[in-house]
Amino acid sequence: TQLLEQSPQFLSIQEGENLTVYCNSSSVFSSLQWYRQEPGEGPVLLVTVVTGGEVKKLKRLTFQFGDARKDSSLHITAAQPGDTGLYLCAGLFYGQNFVFGPGTRLSVLP
Amino acid sequence: EPEVTQTPSHQVTQMGQEVILRCVPISNHLYFYWYRQILGQKVEFLVSFYNNEISEKSEIFDDQFSVERPDGSNFTLKIRSTKLEDSAMYFCASSLLAGGVSGELFFGEGSRLTVL
Repeated sequence: TQLLEQSPQFLSIQEGENLTVYCNSSSVFSSLQWYRQEPGEGPVLLVTVVTGGEVKKLKRLTFQFGDARKDSSLHITAAQPGDTGLYLCAGLFYGQNFVFGPGTRLSVLP
Repeated sequence: EPEVTQTPSHQVTQMGQEVILRCVPISNHLYFYWYRQILGQKVEFLVSFYNNEISEKSEIFDDQFSVERPDGSNFTLKIRSTKLEDSAMYFCASSLLAGGVSGELFFGEGSRLTVL
């Protein structure tokens, strides 16, 4: 089973600050997805990245897929309390199913 | 907007009892999945299902678990004899394809199973 690591595990910041969270694996991803999960709910898809070096923007969120397709980052600009949640990356490895990382729990304080 | 729906939202059962969790995937999707998340832990893959058969399953998905698509719309997860450690949130997901951009997983809101 492939393993994904996410860092940091916990992050608490003030409203308006910028932040970056990371997702890494020792294996190459076929594709990678980022999700946000709120307590008691299912993960909600934010983005899918497929091509090495790809950058996607979703309002204040910027997702980057590493050139070697072994890592990805999520950058949030001017964080807001509504960004609070568990951010999960899920990697699809060749010939396997999606594997989830442990998540980064983000808390944005007003 | 199409969505994956799951029932029940919460089920409490006694150890040793059978439980069936139900899911209605998005109608044009072809791949179906069950994941589980024990409280405070990460989302774990259980099983994937395509073309009316299991395509992959994890070590967690032992003989106590089974899946079925009985009528072309529902996708069920059965736990034959529940154990305390089966207590978790169970998520159903579906995708149009198995990978790439169209392999995006769409999750239901989950069924919380509590085994006493």
